[in-house]
Amino acid sequence: GAVVSQHPSRVICKSGTSVKIECRSLDFQATTMFWYRQFPKQSLMLMATSNEGSKATYEQGVEKDKFLINHASLTLSTLTVTSAHPEDSSFYICSARDLVTSGGQGGNEQFFGPGTRLTVL
Amino acid sequence: LAKTTQPISMDSYEGQEVNITCSHNNIATNDYITWYQQFPSQGPRFIIQGYKTKVTNEVASLFIPADRKSSTLSLPRVSLSDTAVYYCLVGDRISGNTPLVFGKGTRLSVIA
Repeated sequence: GAVVSQHPSRVICKSGTSVKIECRSLDFQATTMFWYRQFPKQSLMLMATSNEGSKATYEQGVEKDKFLINHASLTLSTLTVTSAHPEDSSFYICSARDLVTSGGQGGNEQFFGPGTRLTVL
Repeated sequence: LAKTTQPISMDSYEGQEVNITCSHNNIATNDYITWYQQFPSQGPRFIIQGYKTKVTNEVASLFIPADRKSSTLSLPRVSLSDTAVYYCLVGDRISGNTPLVFGKGTRLSVIA
């Protein structure tokens, strides 16, 4: 299947600094990518939908000025956590859809990156 | 997006077949059913996807009754490495802009 990568895999930063996380679709183009956040023992929570060449769409309760999303190309979306605080410590996961029909009875699969563990001290 | 309901957790011994059932009473005509597996500190991994009846791949089988209000993921002869959280999701396969909304998932523990 298609591959989505994330960089870095883990990052530790001081409170008040900004952290950028990259999400790349390695062998397919993705006009839309999604960003999720996952706290320990909890499910994935959708944060925003990243659209290539346009503004991201944020879920209710997610601060767009704090979580800056840029989708500059068909294979790269970035999430910048600005002025990070300890409560932003979490596992951040991106995903993208390969729109080529594949799998089972058809339909498009959504592929997830390996995740980025952010720890804010 | 259709809401799904799954058991919170399941236990199984190695070598047994495991069936995880998911309810999605409000599934729409264009919705597909997709199952993902997630290990700790990793992104979810696609397992199987289907629309109706039965789908089988090298990893699992997916059974979907005619009314499509539920589905069952079947894992044959599980091993310790199948210990993970399994998520059932439904969503429109047509629109590439529609994100997947995750429920709580089922935590499967395989015991030796």
